[in-house]
Amino acid sequence: DGGITQSPKYLFRKEGQNVTLSCEQNLNHDAMYWYRQDPGQGLRLIYYSQIVNDFQKGDIAEGYSVSREKKESFPLTVTSAQKNPTAFYLCASSIDTSGSETQYFGPGTRLLVL
Amino acid sequence: SQELEQSPQSLIVQEGKNLTINCTSSKTLYGLYWYKQKYGEGLIFLMMLQKGGEEKSHEKITAKLDEKKQQSSLHITASQPSHAGIYLCGADGPLHGNKLVFGAGTILRVKS
Repeated sequence: DGGITQSPKYLFRKEGQNVTLSCEQNLNHDAMYWYRQDPGQGLRLIYYSQIVNDFQKGDIAEGYSVSREKKESFPLTVTSAQKNPTAFYLCASSIDTSGSETQYFGPGTRLLVL
Repeated sequence: SQELEQSPQSLIVQEGKNLTINCTSSKTLYGLYWYKQKYGEGLIFLMMLQKGGEEKSHEKITAKLDEKKQQSSLHITASQPSHAGIYLCGADGPLHGNKLVFGAGTILRVKS
């Protein structure tokens, strides 16, 4: 079955620690995205990647980093510089970013701070 | 500020009743997407609208985009408990930098 997987489902971060969220897709999509969702707010774009080895900052990139070494994978690292990391993180992919291409979402990772 | 306004923020309906959720944009909508989300889960794609006056249906859910392409509505007929969840609208296009921006979502509860 084609789809997007995210792991882990829950992740706990200690003060000063970097953590990495995994996102994998087997849809052969070129574009991948990371969003953050907070209660009562819509999704906000953190980073996106249009092609392997290339990525751009979204609206709230500070405190986060990404890599895109493989087409299938787009991991997100939440660094210690992100002072309010508790949120629900969603990964998505689309065929490309030319506009009006449907984005398909993974099941999400909930990050909590200890 | 939010570029997409959804209303209502939440609603509770009796099973079997109809309901409508609205999504209004401050800019012309080029691509308008409706997603459904169960709490703590990912977004499920429902429908995408592009043309003014366009209307699409899937089972008991109908989405419309107005002629001016600044407002979309999602209508559910004869609601069921399985319809409960969060409904989000999203929009893309050159006026949004070709990135998808989302409304805050509408929480729907269906009472049996």
